[in-house]
Amino acid sequence: FLLTQPHSVSESPGKTVTISCTRSGGRITRAYVQWFQQRPGTSPITVIYHDNQRPSGVPDRFSGSIDGTSNSAYLTISGLKTEDEADYYCQSHDSSPHWVFGGGTTLTVL
Amino acid sequence: QVQLVQSGAEVRQPGASVKVSCKTSGFTFTAFYIHWVRQAPGQGLEWMGRIDPNSGAPNYAQQFQGRVTLTRDTSINTAFMELNTLTSDDTAVYFCARLNDTLALFDSWGQGTVVTVSS
Repeated sequence: FLLTQPHSVSESPGKTVTISCTRSGGRITRAYVQWFQQRPGTSPITVIYHDNQRPSGVPDRFSGSIDGTSNSAYLTISGLKTEDEADYYCQSHDSSPHWVFGGGTTLTVL
Repeated sequence: QVQLVQSGAEVRQPGASVKVSCKTSGFTFTAFYIHWVRQAPGQGLEWMGRIDPNSGAPNYAQQFQGRVTLTRDTSINTAFMELNTLTSDDTAVYFCARLNDTLALFDSWGQGTVVTVSS
């Protein structure tokens, strides 16, 4: 299966942005979705797991959701800060097990 | 605290092999799957496979089947990723990551190992 993300998004500080992750080849509800943030030269960190759960230490400005109709997962970041500028990846898996990452979305906060 | 510390950068010629280690500490090594992910320069994340440190059983991404081997040594709490028949397309940063299976959460990552394939 594949996970498709927009290549890039941009928004102004203080605004809200939503990044989509559309699954093709199976239902988005088939397995949990994680979202990772990766700044240049660093390892990824999880900002959302279990579709909509935040690890401790991740601000509540980050939220996740699933929409079965669009077969997509969404990462929403509200109250954007310049420090949110990074690449964001969604990830899910199937029962093979086979884990798949989306292609990544570059968030620019300007 | 949970730590995954990877081995240092490697340079290999085309056709050679490379073995990257991921030394863990701060948790029960046999209780968590270790996954391997790579990232080519300027590209996205690519899942390579995972290993169950308890049984040693690996699962591989289809695109790496036959070319990658995941192993572990429970006496030193370390996982290994070996990739054979290297080409320039294998130039990438290779990461190990711990999966908290209960939460379906990758909760700790290694720092990454740069592998450069060049003649």
